[in-house]
Amino acid sequence: TQLLEQSPQFLSIQEGENLTVYCNSSSVFSSLQWYRQEPGEGPVLLVTVVTGGEVKKLKRLTFQFGDARKDSSLHITAAQPGDTGLYLCARRNTGKLIFGQGTTLQVKP
Amino acid sequence: DTAVSQTPKYLVTQMGNDKSIKCEQNLGHDTMYWYKQDSKKFLKIMFSYNNKELIINETVPNRFSPKSPDKAHLNLHINSLELGDSAVYFCASSQAPVGETQYFGPGTRLLVL
Repeated sequence: TQLLEQSPQFLSIQEGENLTVYCNSSSVFSSLQWYRQEPGEGPVLLVTVVTGGEVKKLKRLTFQFGDARKDSSLHITAAQPGDTGLYLCARRNTGKLIFGQGTTLQVKP
Repeated sequence: DTAVSQTPKYLVTQMGNDKSIKCEQNLGHDTMYWYKQDSKKFLKIMFSYNNKELIINETVPNRFSPKSPDKAHLNLHINSLELGDSAVYFCASSQAPVGETQYFGPGTRLLVL
């Protein structure tokens, strides 16, 4: 199976700190999506990256797709308590989305 | 104005019971999904329907039976509930199979005692 491995699994930081979470695979994928799931809610799509080396920005969030399209990263600048949640990467595979196991982020005020 | 809605939000039941979860989307999408999120937050697809036709069945026990009466609704019926069925079940929809964006419902938290 073409698994997605996310790291770290848990991250607890203070408001204002920067952080990076990673999503890695041994396989090349055509595109990758990042979702955020807030406590008690369903996942919400943040971004889709499709081109190797692509960088996309969403306010304080920066998403990068690896040149070889086997990995991706999400960097958050000056994290805020509202960024708290579960961050999931996902790839498309034969008609379905395969999710990583997620990174749980807690940002303390 | 809820895009994807699920009922109930919480479901506590005894082992061996039969229960149903309902899902409705008002986005006009053709494809709907059921996902299961376990206690470790791992989210895995169970079923996918496109225009009321089953297109993905991910080796889910046949105690789980999805039903799509129309393309805006996808319900999940579970027979003979087991302890291991305890999880959060999410419904989602997209414009096309594995469409660009999947929209998730708020989840149904099922606890089997």
